[in-house]
Amino acid sequence: SAVISQKPSRDICQRGTSLTIQCQVDSQVTMMFWYRQQPGQSLTLIATANQGSEATYESGFVIDKFPISRPNLTFSTLTVSNMSPEDSSIYLCSVTYSGQSQHFGDGTRLSIL
Amino acid sequence: QQQVKQSPQSLIVQKGGISIINCAYENTAFDYFPWYQQFPGKGPALLIAIRPDVSEKKEGRFTISFNKSAKQFSLHIMDSQPGDSATYFCAARGTSGSRLTFGEGTQLTVNP
Repeated sequence: SAVISQKPSRDICQRGTSLTIQCQVDSQVTMMFWYRQQPGQSLTLIATANQGSEATYESGFVIDKFPISRPNLTFSTLTVSNMSPEDSSIYLCSVTYSGQSQHFGDGTRLSIL
Repeated sequence: QQQVKQSPQSLIVQKGGISIINCAYENTAFDYFPWYQQFPGKGPALLIAIRPDVSEKKEGRFTISFNKSAKQFSLHIMDSQPGDSATYFCAARGTSGSRLTFGEGTQLTVNP
C-alpha cells in the first residue's frame, strides 16, 4: 500500500487565521480525498481532489472555506480558511491505490483558540 | 440512501473472546465493503474488505460475514486480544474510485 505523509501532524491556531495541510504520497495515485473527523466521531468526506481539475466538494463544504490543490499525482493540499473553534478537528488525507483499497494518512490534529 | 448503520457503539470483550460488530446498508449499488481499525492518534488502517460475490472472507483472526439479501455485513474478531482495543469502522462504496460511506464506529475494549 501507499505511504501517506501529512504535515503538520498537529497545530494550534488563532481564530481568523488559515492553515494549509500537505499530503504527500510515495507513489502516483488516481484519487485523493480529504476527510474531517471530529473527536470520537466518524469520518466525513470534505472533497475529492482531482489532478488537473477543480476539487469536487461534498454537501456542506465550500471551496472558499476549504480550498484544495492537486498539482500532481503524488501531492495535495487542503487549506482551512478563516478558522473558528468549530473547525477544531482531525483532517485526514486518503488515497485510492490500484483502484481498489483506500488508505489514510495519520491526520492533522487542529485546535483553534 | 447512502447511510451505513453500525452497531454497537461500544463493545467490551474479555481476552480470548469473540468480538462481533455489525453493519447494515441500504444502497444496493454498493459493491465493496471494507473495515478499518483506528488507534488513538493514528489514521484508519484498512483491516479487511469483501465484495458481495462471496459470503465470507477470513484473514487471520478477522472474518467478514456478508449477507447480500439482508444488506448486512459483520466483522468477527476471534481470540480477541488487548492489542485489538481500537475503534472499528465499517464502510461501503459503489463503483471503483467513488466515495466511501462510513459507519458511525465501534469502540472495542478487550480486557486482559
